[in-house]
Amino acid sequence: GNSVTQMEGPVTLSEEAFLTINCTYTATGYPSLFWYVQYPGEGLQLLLKATKADDKGSNKGFEATYRKETTSFHLEKGSVQVSDSAVYFCALSVNTNAGKSTFGDGTTLTVKP
Amino acid sequence: DTEVTQTPKHLVMGMTNKKSLKCEQHMGHRAMYWYKQKAKKPPELMFVYSYEKLSINESVPSRFSPECPNSSLLNLHLHALQPEDSALYLCASSQELAGPISTDTQYFGPGTRLTVL
Repeated sequence: GNSVTQMEGPVTLSEEAFLTINCTYTATGYPSLFWYVQYPGEGLQLLLKATKADDKGSNKGFEATYRKETTSFHLEKGSVQVSDSAVYFCALSVNTNAGKSTFGDGTTLTVKP
Repeated sequence: DTEVTQTPKHLVMGMTNKKSLKCEQHMGHRAMYWYKQKAKKPPELMFVYSYEKLSINESVPSRFSPECPNSSLLNLHLHALQPEDSALYLCASSQELAGPISTDTQYFGPGTRLTVL
């Protein structure tokens, strides 16, 4: 079956620190990979995506590269801000299991001034 | 425009009440989803509609009844809920379900926070 494993949180960083949130996956077929962000009291927002190996998704200073050889899609940001405090979910979807995305457990990030 | 709207934002209901959640998108998407999310957990899929037909029902209890009146609207009718059904209910849409040459990038609404007393 399909699964997504995210680095356990919570993660606490100081403003302007470098962020990495690890995400690895197992999938049958060729998955598309996503990062979603959920701010307190809100729904999920698509942060970035990659649909094939070696693709790099980027948005708002965040980036992640689809690494097929290591089955990973780690999220990085060079300099975090307090406003980046949120829960981050890594997810995948496979066209052989249409409609059923697989989500990681989420990683809570807190950025302190 | 990548907006999915949901109403109401908050809902409190008793176990004998009947209520409905509403979701709307105007992106021309043909797949729509209902998820349930408990605190500090990832979303759990409940239902998927594709081209206004129910495509997936993840063995959801019959006290939850989905409806897709047209390609832009998705409702979730609630009846005789239990306190453990209290959660954030999220709607999402995608252009289509994932296929041989397409990916189902999902766009989520802000959710309805449901409390069952």
